[in-house]
Amino acid sequence: QVQLQESGPGLVKPSQTLSLTCNVSGGPMYSSNFDWSWIRQPAGKGLEWIGRSGSTDYSPSLKSRVTMWMDTAKNQFFLKLTSVTAADTAVYYCVRERDYFDYWGQGTLVTVSS
Amino acid sequence: DIQMTQSPSSLSASVGDRVTITCRASQSISTYLHWYQHKPGKAPKLLIYDASTLQSGVPSRFSGSESGTDFTLSISSLQPEDFATYYCQQSYSIPPTFGQGTKLEIK
Repeated sequence: QVQLQESGPGLVKPSQTLSLTCNVSGGPMYSSNFDWSWIRQPAGKGLEWIGRSGSTDYSPSLKSRVTMWMDTAKNQFFLKLTSVTAADTAVYYCVRERDYFDYWGQGTLVTVSS
Repeated sequence: DIQMTQSPSSLSASVGDRVTITCRASQSISTYLHWYQHKPGKAPKLLIYDASTLQSGVPSRFSGSESGTDFTLSISSLQPEDFATYYCQQSYSIPPTFGQGTKLEIK
């Protein structure tokens, strides 16, 4: 059973960089059949896809601030979001993506505040 | 971006009821449409992919269908554990986008 777990700071100051790690267990990271992605949900709002690590496709609205990459040897993938504002406060999920998202982490709340 | 519009935004129903949630795409997406269930404090759960294929382990009371750019999620007989928020998602084009959600509440 594939399991994902997010980790990283829960509080980031405005204008700084948000960095998260996702640890993957229970299955291989490398496959042509799926990718590893990040999705976020601000409080009281819907789900927003941020991007995927393998193909490095990013949401156009966040592309200028986002970097993602993978370390398959360590079974990890990463998100970096620069120049954060309060609008980036959200629960961040790491997910496995085919066309659909079949495995999700539990999510980690990141608050942007001074 | 492709816009996904769900209706209704919220719905009250009783245990045993049959309910239907609709998702409309702003353009043709073939059957690249997927449904999720989300409960507070938990990760979203994939229910149906490719418009009508039930994810392994999901009860058969859940079903999905498609008609052009309109998609429906049906629950044949509501159970107490089904009260949650439901989202549709398209994967036809980048970026993948979600509907705004339908909150299913107990009447």
